[in-house]
Amino acid sequence: NAGVTQTPKFQVLKTGQSMTLQCAQDMNHEYMSWYRQDPGMGLRLIHYSVGAGITDQGEVPNGYNVSRSTTEDFPLRLLSAAPSQTSVYFCASSSPRLTNEKLFFGSGTQLSVL
Amino acid sequence: DAKTTQPNSMESNEEEPVHLPCNHSTISGTDYIHWYRQLPSQGPEYVIHGLTSNVNNRMASLAIAEDRKSSTLILHRATLRDAAVYYCILRDWDSNYQLIWGAGTKLIIKP
Repeated sequence: NAGVTQTPKFQVLKTGQSMTLQCAQDMNHEYMSWYRQDPGMGLRLIHYSVGAGITDQGEVPNGYNVSRSTTEDFPLRLLSAAPSQTSVYFCASSSPRLTNEKLFFGSGTQLSVL
Repeated sequence: DAKTTQPNSMESNEEEPVHLPCNHSTISGTDYIHWYRQLPSQGPEYVIHGLTSNVNNRMASLAIAEDRKSSTLILHRATLRDAAVYYCILRDWDSNYQLIWGAGTKLIIKP
């Protein structure tokens, strides 16, 4: 079972470059989200989506854009990378309709901005 | 959003039970208590969750205080593979999914 798939696993950018982190899930989950995790810290929510065509901001949205054109995919775009965006990024999904609602996470993307 | 307080780290011996505490004194009536763990270099994984009653599953047990202001995750027989950071999180069924993750408890298992 694939679950939540994130690509790439590692990425190095120069300040000012743009890139897109990919996230795909094959569980038909309505809810998808992006988190960042800095060393020794918990996760912080960047953006989330409760269904195709619907996105909203989380705790730390500045510098990131998202879109949700399909149920399966939820890409995260960095328009102009900054060193402060060096972090590990996790994508997660869940199905809010289930009473045992739990988040499924991808394996993460380690991003370094020089 | 209600927040949780956990110890920074705990140590336990292999094959012994582990009790991981979590305080959530500002919990509201609709907040579910969720536990996740994060193994080194991996994404978090779900462990268990509950609302009012104690819960058991194949991974762990969750003991919830009667006033719901604290809870304890119980690993009945810790193994080296249980070494991870454990996060206690409150999740409001009606919330906009803005979960607040603390730094969690780093569990160290000694062989």
